[in-house]
Order: sequence, then structure tokens, then C-alpha cells
Amino acid sequence: EADIYQTPRYLVIGTGKKITLECSQTMGHDKMYWYQQDPGMELHLIHYSYGVNSTEKGDLSSESTVSRIRTEHFPLTLESARPSHTSQYLCASKIGATEAFFGQGTRLTVV
Amino acid sequence: AQKVTQAQTEISVVEKEDVTLDCVYETRDTTYYLFWYKQPPSGELVFLIRRNSFDEQNEISGRYSWNFQKSTSSFNFTITASQVVDSAVYFCALVDTGRRALTFGSGTRLQVQP
Repeated sequence: EADIYQTPRYLVIGTGKKITLECSQTMGHDKMYWYQQDPGMELHLIHYSYGVNSTEKGDLSSESTVSRIRTEHFPLTLESARPSHTSQYLCASKIGATEAFFGQGTRLTVV
Repeated sequence: AQKVTQAQTEISVVEKEDVTLDCVYETRDTTYYLFWYKQPPSGELVFLIRRNSFDEQNEISGRYSWNFQKSTSSFNFTITASQVVDSAVYFCALVDTGRRALTFGSGTRLQVQP
């Protein structure tokens, strides 16, 4: 069973607030990813990391930022939340030929 | 560039009907990997199957079956005798071997009516 955790599962927050979505994995995986899923269902890669101190932007431009100070953690931050950031955010680790581990997702609503 | 196309946005069937979800992919890789995921209303992605490009054998798992055809770049998913619990969004995905990330199709929402 995969051990990748996202907190919070649900978040409703006001416009302009700073938020951090947490993603942790206990499997020692170097590669980690953030996907954004808009209400229309599509999943887009927004950030990924190959290891500590490595971060790359994905396919979809995002105002969020990420950091990778420790192997286990890959938090995503929005400095000033807006309604357009309302989405589900899914964290993943070790996407490869035979496996991919996903967290349960954070459903963010900005009001 | 890689691409996954799921042309069916939404499908509605009545319980016990068979249903096929289509997936067409594009890739320049000679070796590649395809996945299917189920996403129930709770939002998490549930892994269903993984297939590599050099194994064209079709697979059956209970009521689920997958038809992989390299000649048409398709990896279709069939649910036999559908049930209400099958109602979900289903995603087909392709591993981007360069970045080791998944490229997802746009998903097919399946509604199974009782």
C-alpha cells in the first residue's frame, strides 16, 4: 500500500489568503509531482521534482510555487489565493514504468 | 509531444449493460507505458491497470477487460455487466519517459443508472 499523504483533504479559504498544501511520502521516492484538476476533470502537471533542491514547472502554468527541502515533503504554496485557483490538487510520487503513487487529493475552494 | 485522447466525455448506461471506454494515444517512444485510473466522487485516483508497449496481450480482470492495439494506438477499456458502483470518471494515461510523469487524457465520466 502506497504511503503518500496530502493535507488538508478539503479547504475553503477567502480570496487573498496564503495557503500551503502539504504532501508527504514515507517511501523515500526521489521523484514527486503536483497535478491540478480543474472542475472540467482534466489533470494537468503543474510542478515536479527529481529530488531535494530540484523543482521544475510542468505543462500548465501555475501561480503556485513548490519547494523540496526534504525528500519526504513537497509542499505547494499559493501566496494569494483567488477564485480561479479553485481546483483539486493531487500529489504523486515515483511515476515510472510499473507504478505511480497518488495521494488522496486536496479539494481547494477559494471564495 | 505525447498526447492521450479520450473522445467520450460522458457515457450513461443502464445497469448490466456492457460499456467500452476509448483511449487513443500518441507517442514517439518505441517503448512506452499506459495506465487506466478510476476516480470516484471522493476524488482519489484508483489504479486499474498498467500496460507496456511490448506486451500486446489483452487482459481481463473480473468484469474489466482491456484491448491494447499498437496498430491503431488504442488502449480501450470494457466493463461487462456494469454496476452502479462503476459510476466514476475514468482516465487513460501515458508515461512521459523523459520526465517520468503521466500525461492524462481528459477523462470519461461514466454514469450507470439502476
